[in-house]
Amino acid sequence: DADVTQTPRNRITKTGKRIMLECSQTKGHDRMYWYRQDPGLGLRLIYYSFDVKDINKGEISDGYSVSRQAQAKFSLSLESAIPNQTALYFCATSDRASGSVGSYNEQFFGPGTRLTVL
Amino acid sequence: SQELEQSPQSLIVQEGKNLTINCTSSKTLYGLYWYKQKYGEGLIFLMMLQKGGEEKSHEKITAKLDEKKQQSSLHITASQPSHAGIYLCGAERTGTASKLTFGTGTRLQVTL
Repeated sequence: DADVTQTPRNRITKTGKRIMLECSQTKGHDRMYWYRQDPGLGLRLIYYSFDVKDINKGEISDGYSVSRQAQAKFSLSLESAIPNQTALYFCATSDRASGSVGSYNEQFFGPGTRLTVL
Repeated sequence: SQELEQSPQSLIVQEGKNLTINCTSSKTLYGLYWYKQKYGEGLIFLMMLQKGGEEKSHEKITAKLDEKKQQSSLHITASQPSHAGIYLCGAERTGTASKLTFGTGTRLQVTL
């Protein structure tokens, strides 16, 4: 079974609809992230969470909200979807950094959700 | 402008040829991560570099980080169709607590 799962894998919706994308992980990681990927723009961070009580905005959080229901679950919501939110959305997880030189935070990515807003 | 620039944006090479992808940062890095993405799928971690001058290899892929920790290269030797995909570099900056900033990616096609 995959360590990081995302549902749904594909979604087509209409402008103005509320959409929720879900992410679950079995890696036991504290840190979870939501990114979107657009052609020519790479991956951009939407929101991130370092534990259940810690939620932070990324570089493009407008129009999005998140909920960290448990250590293993992190959901992304589009309150009122618009066409320019059409993109590939990725969830990722990482372990807590030790802070010492040589430690690093490899992020583990889910398979992605392809969202189309008409 | 992008803090992390990748070049080239796309690359088509013949099977068996070598190739290099570059990733340049406008700021000194704490760590540089290389990922590979198969078309329409998630990202797979390749390797991470942290020390100036560091070089790591895995199978036919070698990544280097320059002494100033602002530029990294990813070199593939004797490319194969299985190397095709999108390669992304991600930068971790000191004090950003494991947030990564990604480059725009390099799309690699390997022809027979």
